[in-house]
Amino acid sequence: RKEVEQDPGPFNVPEGATVAFNCTYSNSASQSFFWYRQDCRKEPKLLMSVYSSGNEDGRFTAQLNRASQYISLLIRDSKLSDSATYLCVVPGSARQLTFGSGTQLTVLP
Amino acid sequence: EADIYQTPRYLVIGTGKKITLECSQTMGHDKMYWYQQDPGMELHLIHYSYGVNSTEKGDLSSESTVSRIRTEHFPLTLESARPSHTSQYLCASSAQVNDSPLHFGNGTRLTVT
Repeated sequence: RKEVEQDPGPFNVPEGATVAFNCTYSNSASQSFFWYRQDCRKEPKLLMSVYSSGNEDGRFTAQLNRASQYISLLIRDSKLSDSATYLCVVPGSARQLTFGSGTQLTVLP
Repeated sequence: EADIYQTPRYLVIGTGKKITLECSQTMGHDKMYWYQQDPGMELHLIHYSYGVNSTEKGDLSSESTVSRIRTEHFPLTLESARPSHTSQYLCASSAQVNDSPLHFGNGTRLTVT
């Protein structure tokens, strides 16, 4: 089993929609998790950190379910500027942060 | 926000040339990383360092080498560039605290002709 797996997408949603991505992880000892955003041909940028059950920042909510070993990212009232690839990041078994393969989101006008 | 810089942003070079990609950070981070990413594909860790004189290979085998003589500097070298090395190379750093997030530089896009 891969250390982290994401919904591959692509997700194409209209402006104003609510969209959620899931990410499952295999290392039950993981304590902290991250969501990154990556625009086309740019570097990943930290979007949210998740250290407990969840975190909320404006339109973005990240939730952690330790029992089922998944984290989710919810985006409310989607904007055109939210179009990007969203990367789930979890601590791996080799003391490294492991990146998911990413979920591509396109918000349509 | 971490300040981490990569140079050059773009590099087009012929086969067989030796190249060094520079990465520097001003946050005093002990941990530094190099990732390789092809367009539309996953990030692959190729090298990392937990401090001065410490370097390790990552998940993806790479012909490149790295050095860590100073905390703030983590250059990556290709002794003989080949077209298969064409890719984007991303440098990142993080604090020593376990599970700290990574902060990325803006990348070097390498094309080997």
